[in-house]
Amino acid sequence: DVKVTQSSRYLVKRTGEKVFLECVQDMDHENMFWYRQDPGLGLRLIYFSYDVKMKEKGDIPEGYSVSREKKERFSLILESASTNQTSMYLCASSLVAGVETQYFGPGTRLLVL
Amino acid sequence: GNSVTQMEGPVTLSEEAFLTINCTYTATGYPSLFWYVQYPGEGLQLLLKATKADDKGSNKGFEATYRKETTSFHLEKGSVQVSDSAVYFCALSDRAGTYKYIFGTGTRLKVLA
Repeated sequence: DVKVTQSSRYLVKRTGEKVFLECVQDMDHENMFWYRQDPGLGLRLIYFSYDVKMKEKGDIPEGYSVSREKKERFSLILESASTNQTSMYLCASSLVAGVETQYFGPGTRLLVL
Repeated sequence: GNSVTQMEGPVTLSEEAFLTINCTYTATGYPSLFWYVQYPGEGLQLLLKATKADDKGSNKGFEATYRKETTSFHLEKGSVQVSDSAVYFCALSDRAGTYKYIFGTGTRLKVLA
């Protein structure tokens, strides 16, 4: 079974802090995704990576950056956390983008004070 | 652009009741369609999918049929259980060369014993 793990389930940070969220998948998937999930808005794509060191912006990339130095690991970085980035963050991976099932991690609930 | 619209919740049913959660989509190409389920405190997991018109996806007693003529992919189950209480997301992926998965806003289902 595919396993996608995220570094933290819950995180509390202060405004202005730099925040790192890490995601690791164990199935050699090419594609990895970061979403945020907010009530009434569903899932919104922040960034997508289709290969090591390759990334593309999703629908809401402002205030975020990503890093993919190794195939199995995809990091989301909040350069200077703000209260409007309080949310649930979900990482996902898939073998072939746009066609195959996405496999999700358990999520990180981030609270920015 | 592509979009997914699903019925708003919450949906509250008694155990053994019939479930329908409506999902309609707009897409320029021939998307694959998915239903994901999110149990409390967890990430999303695939429930079922269909990749072409008239396909029926099924899993755990849930079914959905890809209806191109009505651009719909409604989720149904004949007899719900308390353990089906979760949030259900309809999603599509555009197979016309993009990476994007588009998710609906989610429908919360609560099943009472």
